[in-house]
Amino acid sequence: SQQGEEDPQALSIQEGENATMNCSYKTSINNLQWYRQNSGRGLVHLILIRSNEREKHSGRLRVTLDTSKKSSSLLITASRAADTASYFCALLPGGSYIPTFGRGTSLIVHP
Amino acid sequence: DTEVTQTPKHLVMGMTNKKSLKCEQHMGHRAMYWYKQKAKKPPELMFVYSYEKLSINESVPSRFSPECPNSSLLNLHLHALQPEDSALYLCATGATNEKLFFGSGTQLSVL
Repeated sequence: SQQGEEDPQALSIQEGENATMNCSYKTSINNLQWYRQNSGRGLVHLILIRSNEREKHSGRLRVTLDTSKKSSSLLITASRAADTASYFCALLPGGSYIPTFGRGTSLIVHP
Repeated sequence: DTEVTQTPKHLVMGMTNKKSLKCEQHMGHRAMYWYKQKAKKPPELMFVYSYEKLSINESVPSRFSPECPNSSLLNLHLHALQPEDSALYLCATGATNEKLFFGSGTQLSVL
């Protein structure tokens, strides 16, 4: 399958805590992207990490990529209630220009 | 704020109706995408246009008819839909192998 598998499917934490979600895949990739989606809205791109990169940061977000284990993680530090959303990883397989989305992680941050 | 505009935001239609979804972008990207998303599921690719030509059709039923009149506009014509076609329809654009920019989507209900 060229689709990423995300874990956990749901995550509930308190404000101020860190949230970690993982994405595993089976094929070789060109890059891996993380998106956020608020309920009933469009997806917003967060971070793109290329296959030759191991870690990227953007504000409170940190993404890692381990191509030997075919896995990526998204860490949100010092979470806020406004971070409540669904988070999707999207793979860009090698030889394709079409990202395919994982099933997503539903994050709830309690104030 | 999104630079990809989708209209309408909500649409209710009967199974005998004909309606169209519209998407407009002025980002200069030459690839445009239609995704369908059911509740609590990841987006599923329907169509891809590259340089105004249909390059990918993911075996979508003919009751969905895409159209790309120019590099800024993407339409999805709907006819004789079924209740199971009710979903969030997302338009996206992006450069090859890079991140996607999504519109806010059209929430479609078929009665």
